[in-house]
Amino acid sequence: AAGVIQSPRHLIKEKRETATLKCYPIPRHDTVYWYQQGPGQDPQFLISFYEKMQSDKGSIPDRFSAQQFSDYHSELNMSSLELGDSALYFCASSLVLAGLVTDTQYFGPGTRLTVL
Amino acid sequence: LAKTTQPISMDSYEGQEVNITCSHNNIATNDYITWYQQFPSQGPRFIIQGYKTKVTNEVASLFIPADRKSSTLSLPRVSLSDTAVYYCLSPPELDTGRRALTFGSGTRLQVQP
Repeated sequence: AAGVIQSPRHLIKEKRETATLKCYPIPRHDTVYWYQQGPGQDPQFLISFYEKMQSDKGSIPDRFSAQQFSDYHSELNMSSLELGDSALYFCASSLVLAGLVTDTQYFGPGTRLTVL
Repeated sequence: LAKTTQPISMDSYEGQEVNITCSHNNIATNDYITWYQQFPSQGPRFIIQGYKTKVTNEVASLFIPADRKSSTLSLPRVSLSDTAVYYCLSPPELDTGRRALTFGSGTRLQVQP
């Protein structure tokens, strides 16, 4: 079965540079989520999109922005990178079905961002 | 959303049954309980979800007593490959417009040979 695809898998950047992470959700899934997981920490929600509109916002820094495109893929743009941005960035997708109380999120393999 | 509390770590041996208990004293009437598994450097993976009584799938069982203030994830006959962090979560209801999963401190399960 198709899974969530993230690219790149690894990224090394210098401080103050920019980075763009891409996420391709499972086909027909309508919701995309972004999570950040620092070393030794638990995943923290950043932002989500439902049908290409921002649906929920968490602890996403103002230096970060994201969007979901017409083909449902999403990009997380990160500017003025700081050392503390070094983390695993996970994308997840889900399909909101009528009648469901909650949805199940399917996570991608993550992008490991290292800021030097 | 229910605030969940679970043990920081557990140790087991191959072939044993592992039970991880999660406390959620302030669980609301409509809250579900969901468990995710995460291997090192991989994304979390959905294991099981329940509302009350018992739910079983090919991976695990979830027991939620009548008062719903706690739940127990049961992993039958664990193997070394079950070594992972297990998160007990209360996902948001879709009709609230919320989407975020709130990951607290999970339980780090170490399975020994």
